[in-house]
Amino acid sequence: GENVEQHPSTLSVQEGDSAVIKCTYSDSASNYFPWYKQELGKRPQLIIDIRSNVGEKKDQRIAVTLNKTAKHFSLHITETQPEDSAVYFCAASKKGSGGSNYKLTFGKGTLLTVNP
Amino acid sequence: DTGVSQDPRHKITKRGQNVTFRCDPISEHNRLYWYRQTLGQGPEFLTYFQNEAQLEKSRLLSDRFSAERPKGSFSTLEIQRTEQGDSAMYLCASSLRENSQETQYFGPGTRLLVL
Repeated sequence: GENVEQHPSTLSVQEGDSAVIKCTYSDSASNYFPWYKQELGKRPQLIIDIRSNVGEKKDQRIAVTLNKTAKHFSLHITETQPEDSAVYFCAASKKGSGGSNYKLTFGKGTLLTVNP
Repeated sequence: DTGVSQDPRHKITKRGQNVTFRCDPISEHNRLYWYRQTLGQGPEFLTYFQNEAQLEKSRLLSDRFSAERPKGSFSTLEIQRTEQGDSAMYLCASSLRENSQETQYFGPGTRLLVL
């Protein structure tokens, strides 16, 4: 089955710096890669996603890049703020027999701390 | 609140007892997923439904686990004869399959502690 590796497991940055989290996946059939942010005691919330027909997607201070050949994708957060502090999970999904993406395979998460 | 809801939010039980959790998806979402999350790990897929049909179950889902979605709306996850290893956060997510694409929205989870 799919295996998603995520690095680093913890990341500490100063407010205003950039943060980069990297993930690799094993199944070349995976074609959908969402990123979720989970604050302590709260639900995972989708922050950005990318599909395999594009190489980069940006939403304000957040961007995701995808390298299908190398089977890795990354989350970039610029101008970090203390409220960005949370656990970030990457995930991968492929199409099932019904022709649509379904179950997500998650990485182990990255605890991001933004120091004021 | 029109998001995914789960009940109860917390459950403490003794080993050997049965527990049941409920998930109410976002209205009109035809897919519903159950995941389990342990401390320091990402969510792990357990099972999912499209409407009322259970389409896949993970190997993580032992015989003691059963899930239903009888009318294609809310879902229940029952764990029989709970074990300490069942202690985890049980997350539900729902999605609307459209044009072969979907986005999963998570509920707040039910945290289970088995003593």
